[in-house]
Amino acid sequence: AQKITQTQPGMFVQEKEAVTLDCTYDTSDQSYGLFWYKQPSSGEMIFLIYQGSYDEQNATEGRYSLNFQKARKSANLVISASQLGDSAMYFCAMREKGGTYKYIFGTGTRLKVLA
Amino acid sequence: GAVVSQHPSWVICKSGTSVKIECRSLDFQATTMFWYRQFPKQSLMLMATSNEGSKATYEQGVEKDKFLINHASLTLSTLTVTSAHPEDSSFYICSARLGTGDFPRSTDTQYFGPGTRLTVL
Repeated sequence: AQKITQTQPGMFVQEKEAVTLDCTYDTSDQSYGLFWYKQPSSGEMIFLIYQGSYDEQNATEGRYSLNFQKARKSANLVISASQLGDSAMYFCAMREKGGTYKYIFGTGTRLKVLA
Repeated sequence: GAVVSQHPSWVICKSGTSVKIECRSLDFQATTMFWYRQFPKQSLMLMATSNEGSKATYEQGVEKDKFLINHASLTLSTLTVTSAHPEDSSFYICSARLGTGDFPRSTDTQYFGPGTRLTVL
């Protein structure tokens, strides 16, 4: 069965430093998609970055990059130059197989950026 | 681009009444939308998949008669909580699927609305 695991319930990082949020996944599919979302205290889920299983390059979007290690089945999110506004809950998700377009979500990591 | 709105952002109602929540994709068409429920400090729990022009597909354990979903157009899905009770109080959030590209490099990104906080007294 497909599964997403986020082992860090909470993380602290000093402002302007980089932080890595872990995500491992389990799937038997050859084609799959991995997503990261940010949920600030307001509740909205903000799409950050996408990595396709066939993408040879690690995805990057501004200060966000995805460290994709296919053999290890990991898709860690790296946030560079952390800002106070990065304090939020972060969810890793994988698109389910079977054409339903549903996502499997991890349990999330709460990031706190310290001034 | 890829903006999803949700209305209302919060609602307080009396037990036994019905509440309708709207989810709109503002700048793209979405044949598939999703409705989630989120309890405090927990991950999102998928309630149902809303397909334009057809019946919604509900997840196991979700009462379809209690949570009515209508996907009347390519930009609008509604969730109606019927005969609401205090245990239905929660944060409800919708998403709309935007698909681009061709298999196997296609992406199907879900863009989320801001959520609706429902409190049933």
